[in-house]
Amino acid sequence: AQSVTQLDSHVSVSEGTPVLLRCNYSSSYSPSLFWYVQHPNKGLQLLLKYTSAATLVKGINGFEAEFKKSETSFHLTKPSAHMSDAAEYFCVVGGFSGGYQKVTFGTGTKLQVIP
Amino acid sequence: DVKVTQSSRYLVKRTGEKVFLECVQDMDHENMFWYRQDPGLGLRLIYFSYDVKMKEKGDIPEGYSVSREKKERFSLILESASTNQTSMYLCASSYGTSDTDTQYFGPGTRLTVL
Repeated sequence: AQSVTQLDSHVSVSEGTPVLLRCNYSSSYSPSLFWYVQHPNKGLQLLLKYTSAATLVKGINGFEAEFKKSETSFHLTKPSAHMSDAAEYFCVVGGFSGGYQKVTFGTGTKLQVIP
Repeated sequence: DVKVTQSSRYLVKRTGEKVFLECVQDMDHENMFWYRQDPGLGLRLIYFSYDVKMKEKGDIPEGYSVSREKKERFSLILESASTNQTSMYLCASSYGTSDTDTQYFGPGTRLTVL
């Protein structure tokens, strides 16, 4: 069984300040982990993914996430927020169920960036 | 670039109507998925398909069916639409059966059932 918890439904930051979006996961084995972003009225786009190659994963648009097994966390960070980062972010855990890829989405975190 | 297209961005239907949502991908992906997205609930998997004419139930299949007659096309069918099926529907595709495969999403169809 697998699950994912996004700890904040809304996060508000000022432009130019750091971003932290928190995600905790639960999985029976070593998981694959993803962050997707959804801008208003758009489909989801992959930001980054963890596949056990390196614990610090760099993604698009300056985002990165660190896999911490001891804390079962995969928090998303960015050093300096930009107005264009305002969107909804989904943490996703991936695995296998019944021989097929199965992913489980978190409930999402809406990021607001204040000018 | 992978492209996943959905037949409609917005759709309004009446209770009891049969509704077809179409999804097409152009990357020869094996897997295709249908999700619904509701505020505060994230994305929930309705059905997925790992091959032509094959389908598997997801977490919330009740009230839905699917069809995959060609590799590039995956249809979601609401046999008799109800108001609780008002939602955003997202289609996705992925290459194979690795748990690290990226899913590529279409823009979504916002369905309103009156």
